[in-house]
Amino acid sequence: GENVEQHPSTLSVQEGDSAVIKCTYSDSASNYFPWYKQELGKRPQLIIDIRSNVGEKKDQRIAVTLNKTAKHFSLHITETQPEDSAVYFCAANAGGTSYGKLTFGQGTILTVHP
Amino acid sequence: SAVISQKPSRDICQRGTSLTIQCQVDSQVTMMFWYRQQPGQSLTLIATANQGSEATYESGFVIDKFPISRPNLTFSTLTVSNMSPEDSSIYLCSVGTGSTDTQYFGPGTRLTVL
Repeated sequence: GENVEQHPSTLSVQEGDSAVIKCTYSDSASNYFPWYKQELGKRPQLIIDIRSNVGEKKDQRIAVTLNKTAKHFSLHITETQPEDSAVYFCAANAGGTSYGKLTFGQGTILTVHP
Repeated sequence: SAVISQKPSRDICQRGTSLTIQCQVDSQVTMMFWYRQQPGQSLTLIATANQGSEATYESGFVIDKFPISRPNLTFSTLTVSNMSPEDSSIYLCSVGTGSTDTQYFGPGTRLTVL
């Protein structure tokens, strides 16, 4: 089955700096890669996603890049703010007949210091 | 996106008992899933709740321990049976809509087993 590795496990930045979180996946049939943000005590919230037919997607201060050949994708947050502090999870779907199933990375605890 | 609710939001249970968690969506959805999030950990898929048929369980999860019902396109239940302290986790339902793999999560049920 799919295996998703996420790095780093913790990331500490100063307000205004950029943050990058990287994930690799194993199933070459995967074609959907969402990112979720989970604040303490809250549900995971979808913040951005990318499909395998594009290499990059942006939404204001966040962007995701995908390299299908290398089987890795990354989340980029620019001009970080203290409210960006949370746990971020990447995920990949299971291709083929396992429609809709997501496998999650281990998570990255992002701390933005004011 | 759909509005998803879960009941109960939290519970404290004695070992050996069972708890049924409900997931309600305000619109019909194609896919419903149940995840477990152990303290400080990532999300692990328990099963896909199939409308009108038996759920599809992931490796390591069995129907006797986690029976699931999905009587219609807006509602599902997950039962955690014969609980032990190792079952203490957050249990989340998620829903997928349309023809995409996009998933949205319910608020979760925080379960503590004594």
